[in-house]
Amino acid sequence: AQKITQTQPGMFVQEKEAVTLDCTYDTSDQSYGLFWYKQPSSGEMIFLIYQGSYDEQNATEGRYSLNFQKARKSANLVISASQLGDSAMYFCAMINNAGNMLTFGGGTRLMVKP
Amino acid sequence: GAVVSQHPSWVICKSGTSVKIECRSLDFQATTMFWYRQFPKQSLMLMATSNEGSKATYEQGVEKDKFLINHASLTLSTLTVTSAHPEDSSFYICSARTRMPGIPDTQYFGPGTRLTVL
Repeated sequence: AQKITQTQPGMFVQEKEAVTLDCTYDTSDQSYGLFWYKQPSSGEMIFLIYQGSYDEQNATEGRYSLNFQKARKSANLVISASQLGDSAMYFCAMINNAGNMLTFGGGTRLMVKP
Repeated sequence: GAVVSQHPSWVICKSGTSVKIECRSLDFQATTMFWYRQFPKQSLMLMATSNEGSKATYEQGVEKDKFLINHASLTLSTLTVTSAHPEDSSFYICSARTRMPGIPDTQYFGPGTRLTVL
């Protein structure tokens, strides 16, 4: 069975500073994918970044980067230069090899202070 | 305090997939665990009572072959939704009951698992 763990239920960060959101996972699949989503108070899920298990380089998308450490089974999200609009819930998720199941972590609420 | 965890917290799967949900009592032994299902804006509906080392007792109307429950140890019970279909989409919550000296006989609830079947 797949398992995703986000150990930080809530975090504060000062505007313009970088922040790391933790995500660890467990799976028996050799091939899998890892996602990060943002959910603002309005409720919609916004895709941020994707990392395939065989991708050798860490994924980056603008201010978002994924610190993928396969041996440690971690896929932390790094947000550089935080903005007030980054305040939201952030979910880490993993899709299995068969591509038929997407498992989410419990989420981390990020609050950016002005 | 008594803590009950559930994994995963949220899962989306395709129709026909089987999904396993774990319920663990982290700092106490639970001889009895309960599985509930909750539809939006409705109360919890008891699905089954799980006793360690024996077969689960299902409530009327709950399909035993559909919702497989295994209470393998005093700290772990699993619910497997077999061949899930969209109508199985729901919020599943477990609780664990203690019955130990000095601790009130109380149910402690897990945080729930949201299952979405496409």
